[in-house]
Order: sequence, then structure tokens, then C-alpha cells
Amino acid sequence: GAGVSQSPSNKVTEKGKDVELRCDPISGHTALYWYRQSLGQGLEFLIYFQGNSAPDKSGLPSDRFSAERTGGSVSTLTIQRTQQEDSAVYLCASSKGGSYLYEQYFGPGTRLTVT
Amino acid sequence: QKEVEQNSGPLSVPEGAIASLNCTYSDRGSQSFFWYRQYSGKSPELIMFIYSNGDKEDGRFTAQLNKASQYVSLLIRDSQPSDSATYLCAAFFGNEKLTFGTGTRLTIIP
Repeated sequence: GAGVSQSPSNKVTEKGKDVELRCDPISGHTALYWYRQSLGQGLEFLIYFQGNSAPDKSGLPSDRFSAERTGGSVSTLTIQRTQQEDSAVYLCASSKGGSYLYEQYFGPGTRLTVT
Repeated sequence: QKEVEQNSGPLSVPEGAIASLNCTYSDRGSQSFFWYRQYSGKSPELIMFIYSNGDKEDGRFTAQLNKASQYVSLLIRDSQPSDSATYLCAAFFGNEKLTFGTGTRLTIIP
């Protein structure tokens, strides 16, 4: 079946501009995660959505970052007033939830470059 | 601070040999552990998970968990050049999200 999809695959933006990154999880997956991976670094957790519960925003690095998930499916990560340190690959993952919560399946990522 | 530690490598193993990847974690209460494979320029792919002490085998892969030593490992038998990748260890610390290590880069030498 279809996996997690993300768009755009690459985004180049000027410092100070806002960007929106989209994630479409696997159909039927109730949990959705956003991560950031900088060059040569591990995965940095950003935000987690589970069903209709309030999202866990504990990993968002600043108030310039926000995310929403509409209808329990598609999610959008928004970065306002982008900075050069925001350059990274932004990865989305989804899981079935419940006892499968931690078996996460990743999308291909969006490579963000802030110039 | 709950952490997952991995040797960043690179780890070089001859083709056909056993590759052994190791991971330690800081929280004795951790219950679930995961191994992801990440090819260069690609996203992580879940390859193994283990919840109980002991060994879990899946094809050429074996995950080993020792909760007393807070240690989890991944063995790859009959290593192939296609196994060359970065391997990420992750643990669940009870806060509904995984904590990832920084990964070990594995190179299989033909």
C-alpha cells in the first residue's frame, strides 16, 4: 500500500520567509510525528499527534514552529521567519497507534535550505 | 535526560562476516527498542524491534536485549554490500515518543 508521503521534496527559501511542509500519513495510521535531521546528526523530535488528543509540542525549538493536523490525517508543519539554522531534512512518520505506537514508518522527507 | 548512545563509527566489516552494532540507554525502565536503517540521502526504515530480554531473529538480522546491562544490539549475519548504511537505535522512555541515537555508520567491504 501507499507509504507516508511528504511535499515538497526540496525547498529553498530566503531567510525571513515562511514555509509550509506537508505530510500525508499511511491510511488508517492514527499517530503522526515530525522530526528534524541536520547533516550528520540524529533525529530530533519536534511534535506528535495522536488521534484527537492535544498534540505533544515539547520538541518544537521555538515559537516560530507550529504544526496542525486536519481531520486526523494530513499534517502541515509551518516555520515562520526562517533562519539559516532551520536548514535540515524534515521527516514525518506515522504509526497505527495503540500497541503499535512506536513502530513508526517514515516519509521521504523535505530538505529545507534557508539562504 | 533520557539518552540513547551509539558509537558513530564508521564500522567496517568484510562481506560475509557478522556485523555487530551496539546501543546503550540511560533509563532502566525502558521497555521497547527499535533498529532503523538509513541509506545515505534516504529516510529511516524500521528493520527490527524488541521488547523482551533475549534474542529476536528475523532473517539475517538478530536483535539482542539485555535490560540488566541496559544494552541492545543488532547482529547482521552474512553481511552484504547492500547492508552498508547508518543504523539508528531508538528507545521508548514512556513519554509516547521514541528517543533516537545518532546512528552508527556501517560499511561492508566486498
